[in-house]
Amino acid sequence: EIVMTQSPATLSVSPGERATLSCRASQSVGSSLAWYQQKPGQAPRLLIYGASTRATGIPARFSGSGSGTEFTLTISSLQSEDIAVYYCQQYNNWPPYTFGQGTKLEIK
Amino acid sequence: EVQLVESGGVVVQPGGSLRLSCAASGFTFDDYTLHWVRQPPGKGLEWVSLISWDGGSTFYADSVKGRFTISRDNSRNSLYLQMSSLSAEDTAVYYCAKESSSWYLGDRFDYWGQGTLVTVSS
Repeated sequence: EIVMTQSPATLSVSPGERATLSCRASQSVGSSLAWYQQKPGQAPRLLIYGASTRATGIPARFSGSGSGTEFTLTISSLQSEDIAVYYCQQYNNWPPYTFGQGTKLEIK
Repeated sequence: EVQLVESGGVVVQPGGSLRLSCAASGFTFDDYTLHWVRQPPGKGLEWVSLISWDGGSTFYADSVKGRFTISRDNSRNSLYLQMSSLSAEDTAVYYCAKESSSWYLGDRFDYWGQGTLVTVSS
């Protein structure tokens, strides 16, 4: 089973500043990596797939990078509506599909 | 518009059984692999099970293997999860989710339902 490890667990960022979230896989997943955003009381929403492709309707301030075992989600200029928990997920080597434990993004 | 609507979540006693349903609309249902993903209260996401577009392939997380059964009825655009031998560790919001690519296994999840809460408690 591929273990996905996200860091940090909690990230506090000021509005308008850059937020950088990390995800590490225990073995290579190629580019089969997705990022999801989950706001309180809501279902997860797909943000990024293929490590770096934005899903339909996702603002350009969200970007993904990386391949193999190291991945990054960057929010270039944090908006108040970006407050959420962010999960990475690998879909290269399954079952199981595995998620990271999440990074909670807070406003500083 | 793609919609996935889960139902069936209730309070059930330990050792009990339950069937969850997910009603789908807005896409060609029998072209897509579907999943169940769960989230215990205040915790992260855990993949539970998948079923291929034609129902011919199913896979399970080790934590539910032998206790849960995934199925689908393509004539009714519905996905199911039969759950048995439930324990407190199965308490969670259960989401159904759709894979993005048709006739494919192993892709991102582009749509999720709103979830249904299963509580296992005496």
